[in-house]
Amino acid sequence: EVQLVESGGGVVQPGGSLRLSCAASGFDFSTYWMTWVRQAPGKGPEWVANIKEDGSETYYVGSLRGRFTISRDNAKNSLYLQMNSLRADDTAMYYCARDGPSPGLPSYDSWGQGTLVTVSS
Amino acid sequence: DIVMTQSPLSLSVTPGEPASISCRSSQNLLHRNGNNYLDWYLQKPGQSPQLLIYLGSIRASGVPARFSGSGSGTYFTLRISRVEAEDVGIYYCMQSLLTPKTFGQGTKVEIK
Repeated sequence: EVQLVESGGGVVQPGGSLRLSCAASGFDFSTYWMTWVRQAPGKGPEWVANIKEDGSETYYVGSLRGRFTISRDNAKNSLYLQMNSLRADDTAMYYCARDGPSPGLPSYDSWGQGTLVTVSS
Repeated sequence: DIVMTQSPLSLSVTPGEPASISCRSSQNLLHRNGNNYLDWYLQKPGQSPQLLIYLGSIRASGVPARFSGSGSGTYFTLRISRVEAEDVGIYYCMQSLLTPKTFGQGTKVEIK
């Protein structure tokens, strides 16, 4: 069974940093693109960033480029999101998602339960 | 970025009746490989989104046959042939053709 478990969320002051993690299991992590999607309270999902199977390519939504960094460690079956210079409008539930249903397909067939990031003074 | 527009934004349906949600994209989602890169997701209350339909019309694993997707290019439709109580939630379309992927505003489905 595919499992994605996010962690690392919490309350942070404006201007602060957080590093989110996503632990993957139940599939060959190294053969799938992975993605972060966020959802602000009461809003729809927003695609944040994705990363190629081997980590050689990364893409970001334009508004976040430069503040957020996606990375992965295939040896640890883990995905990360480093978030810097956090602002109030970064407050959201952050989900990791697996591209699928099969490698190479750009849909998201598996999602974690999310980790909540709150930016507040 | 590609803009996705859904309608209606809310829907109240009697159990056993059909329901239909439309999704329009600002750019053509039909790839030269013949696939339409359009997904449908359902987010049930308090849960993560779940994939219902991908490539415009293919049901994801475990999705009941009452869900179907159709359309091509810039106009797509999700149909539920007979709505059940467990279908309540917010339905989102998402274009998976270009980065950044973009979602529609969502359609909230409730049961009468």
